[in-house]
Amino acid sequence: DAGITQSPRHKVTETGTPVTLRCHQTENHRYMYWYRQDPGHGLRLIHYSYGVKDTDKGEVSDGYSVSRSKTEDFLLTLESATSSQTSVYFCAISESETGWRFFGPGTRLTVL
Amino acid sequence: QKEVEQDPGPLSVPEGAIVSLNCTYSNSAFQYFMWYRQYSRKGPELLMYTYSSGNKEDGRFTAQVDKSSKYISLFIRDSQPSDSATYLCAMSAIQGAGSYQLTFGKGTKLSVIP
Repeated sequence: DAGITQSPRHKVTETGTPVTLRCHQTENHRYMYWYRQDPGHGLRLIHYSYGVKDTDKGEVSDGYSVSRSKTEDFLLTLESATSSQTSVYFCAISESETGWRFFGPGTRLTVL
Repeated sequence: QKEVEQDPGPLSVPEGAIVSLNCTYSNSAFQYFMWYRQYSRKGPELLMYTYSSGNKEDGRFTAQVDKSSKYISLFIRDSQPSDSATYLCAMSAIQGAGSYQLTFGKGTKLSVIP
């Protein structure tokens, strides 16, 4: 998984609770991404980062926030989890923006 | 019309068969084309990467791009049970201000039967 770890790997939470997912890389890549993967929708970009403290929205960013205080860590926060955010979340990294991305092992999140 | 169309399958073939996986796209600005393989409950892994029309071969895998027809394919020769996975196509284009948009197909689930 190209030196990418995600934590936790599985989480079950209740509607309305805050949730933070962590992505950690050891590759020193500049770009980091958060995707969600759902049946019938494929992989969809939530947020991405192009450097420390530099982030931008993807196509499904509502209800999510991110932070990147160090090159190696990219956090995804669900401020108040909803059942529609039940999904598998993947972190990805890349050296450049030309689309060649390496993915982490994923976090399976269930919101009850 | 979605930007990237990929038949979800499932596709089931006998071991040793030649497999053809395909994606069509509508955005003529797509420049880079990728195939990812995703095993069950794992993250996608990059399989093939190309940016020009024509064929690119890597072992039993061949990626084909036809920009005039907006069509890409992945061929797997001598398919093995270990090839059973979901295959995702992906393609990227420059958006405004030099940023790149990467769009994934929804994936085709392949089963290779021993």
